[in-house]
Amino acid sequence: DIVMTQTPLSSPVTLGQPASISCRSSQSLVYSDGNTYLSWLQQRPGQPPRLLFYKTSNRFSGVPDRFSASGAGTDFTLEIRRVEAEDVGVYYCMQSIQFPRTFGQGTKLEIK
Amino acid sequence: QVQLQESGPGLVKPSETLSLTCTVSGGSINNHYWSWIRQPPGKGLEWIGYIFNDGGSPKYNPSLKSRLTMSVDTSKTQFSLKLSSVTAADTAVYYCARGHGAGYLDYWGQGTLVTVSS
Repeated sequence: DIVMTQTPLSSPVTLGQPASISCRSSQSLVYSDGNTYLSWLQQRPGQPPRLLFYKTSNRFSGVPDRFSASGAGTDFTLEIRRVEAEDVGVYYCMQSIQFPRTFGQGTKLEIK
Repeated sequence: QVQLQESGPGLVKPSETLSLTCTVSGGSINNHYWSWIRQPPGKGLEWIGYIFNDGGSPKYNPSLKSRLTMSVDTSKTQFSLKLSSVTAADTAVYYCARGHGAGYLDYWGQGTLVTVSS
């Protein structure tokens, strides 16, 4: 199985300040079609996960543009330009290049 | 707006079969990979598997494959999960979700907590 490793596991951030989450995969997520199959999800407290980005950096409908995602190969990053209170929750990366699909352990974003 | 809703018993006895159904509304059930994911209390996400709308060639997590059966009923816009011989380790919130060919999961149900206990 592809192991997804996120850092940090916890991220206390001041409102209005930026935040960054890293995700590393144990194998390259680049498929033969040239696409990189990495997505990011947000799970607010008590809520189901919500898709933020797919194929590394494609923003899903309704996701604020203060969120951005980038990366290549085995190293990926989710950034929030200015954290707002509604961004509190756990963020997961997920690979979909190989079965079984696997998720990172999750990064808990909290307000200082 | 696509909506998914899980339904099924919230309590299952050890060694019995966990059965859940996901009802899809607001969108077509065609051309998507209908997926199940679970989350033990206070823990991370585990991909269980998916089934395509034609019901053929479901993909299961090897860690659960011997106990899993998925099916789809396009006439009811529903898909289902059966997990046999459950133990306390199967206690989790079970989510259904819509998947794409690129593997991402764009719409999720609210989740249903299934507790395995006698």
